[in-house]
Amino acid sequence: EAGVAQSPRYKIIEKRQSVAFWCNPISGHATLYWYQQILGQGPKLLIQFQNNGVVDDSQLPKDRFSAERLKGVDSTLKIQPAKLEDSAVYLCASSLVPQSETQYFGPGTRLLVL
Amino acid sequence: DQQVKQNSPSLSVQEGRISILNCDYTNSMFDYFLWYKKYPAEGPTFLISISSIKDKNEDGRFTVFLNKSAKHLSLHIVPSQPGDSAVYFCAAKRSNDYKLSFGAGTTVTVRA
Repeated sequence: EAGVAQSPRYKIIEKRQSVAFWCNPISGHATLYWYQQILGQGPKLLIQFQNNGVVDDSQLPKDRFSAERLKGVDSTLKIQPAKLEDSAVYLCASSLVPQSETQYFGPGTRLLVL
Repeated sequence: DQQVKQNSPSLSVQEGRISILNCDYTNSMFDYFLWYKKYPAEGPTFLISISSIKDKNEDGRFTVFLNKSAKHLSLHIVPSQPGDSAVYFCAAKRSNDYKLSFGAGTTVTVRA
């Protein structure tokens, strides 16, 4: 079974630039999550999708972050414009059902904003 | 507000000895607890979990203990192996909810 795929793995941008991350969840997983992990902290949920609908985006800074999952499979997370404090690892995870005890994580995208 | 706390950022243990990782939580509504393991440049992977109806769950070399009155859980790894060197995250949730709250992680180094 293929795992959660993310790209790119690393990205370096200057502040005020835009950046986009892509995630392909495990086949058949209806629930997709985006997390932000700042160095020295645990992952923090940004947004959760159930199929192509948003379940929870209460922690997403909507003035600069956006995410979509148009066909209920792949998802993109965008930051526009980026700030220095956005430097973090962005993790995508998926699960079969929303209340599943196990979320499967991708390798993450490490973003550095200069 | 940090609802799950791992107060030890790092732990060094000799191969063959026991590793004990600790985790405290503040939200009394949490009733399901998980440990994730993370290698560098990889995403966290699920390791072991425990429901609040139990006080112990064992899976091979890994055992999780839950003390609900103290709002404390611990992960024991016996015996520790070099491949156990990783970051371990404690996470908690309500069983009918999807949202995981993570601790900051503990980096375990197993010395040969």
